[in-house]
Amino acid sequence: AQSVTQLDSQVPVFEEAPVELRCNYSSSVSVYLFWYVQYPNQGLQLLLKYLSGSTLVESINGFEAEFNKSQTSFHLRKPSVHISDTAEYFCAVTEAGGTSYGKLTFGQGTILTVHP
Amino acid sequence: EAQVTQNPRYLITVTGKKLTVTCSQNMNHEYMSWYRQDPGLGLRQIYYSMNVEVTDKGDVPEGYKVSRKEKRNFPLILESPSPNQTSLYFCASSPGRSPTQYFGPGTRLLVL
Repeated sequence: AQSVTQLDSQVPVFEEAPVELRCNYSSSVSVYLFWYVQYPNQGLQLLLKYLSGSTLVESINGFEAEFNKSQTSFHLRKPSVHISDTAEYFCAVTEAGGTSYGKLTFGQGTILTVHP
Repeated sequence: EAQVTQNPRYLITVTGKKLTVTCSQNMNHEYMSWYRQDPGLGLRQIYYSMNVEVTDKGDVPEGYKVSRKEKRNFPLILESPSPNQTSLYFCASSPGRSPTQYFGPGTRLLVL
């Protein structure tokens, strides 16, 4: 079984400042990792994912995350945030391969609030 | 447009009154799943289905039923809703053995 811990429930930040949202996971097998974003009163959108290959993955709107196997982490970063990045962010993990490939285990969520 | 749809989007009901939340996807995905989202707990899986007529329990299945008679539809049934089922519900789907899930817009349920 897997588990995910998002270390900060809320992260306030000023516009144009850098931000890091922390995610640690626990698993006895290889995993795939995801970040989803939920804008106010909307559903979940896939932000980025790590399946294999380069450990640094990027999204189209400037976020990036790095898979660190030794530290079992998948932190999300953005060098300069915008007001429009205000949302709740969820880290999720699933077993790589195997029969439970479709079961996503989510973290508790981190509310990012960008202040002008 | 490829999407997962849910209906209704908002629902207020009373304890014990059976209800069904529909979920439909037009992407021919084999895998479908239901999650509930509660503050501070993230999303937790209720039930999932690997294909037609194949369903299994997730982490929090108590009080819920599902069926998968057609590939595109995966309704969530609450036979006797209780106030602790007040939550935001998401349906998701994914193709074959792809781990990437696509989520519906959510259904906000209030049980009085």
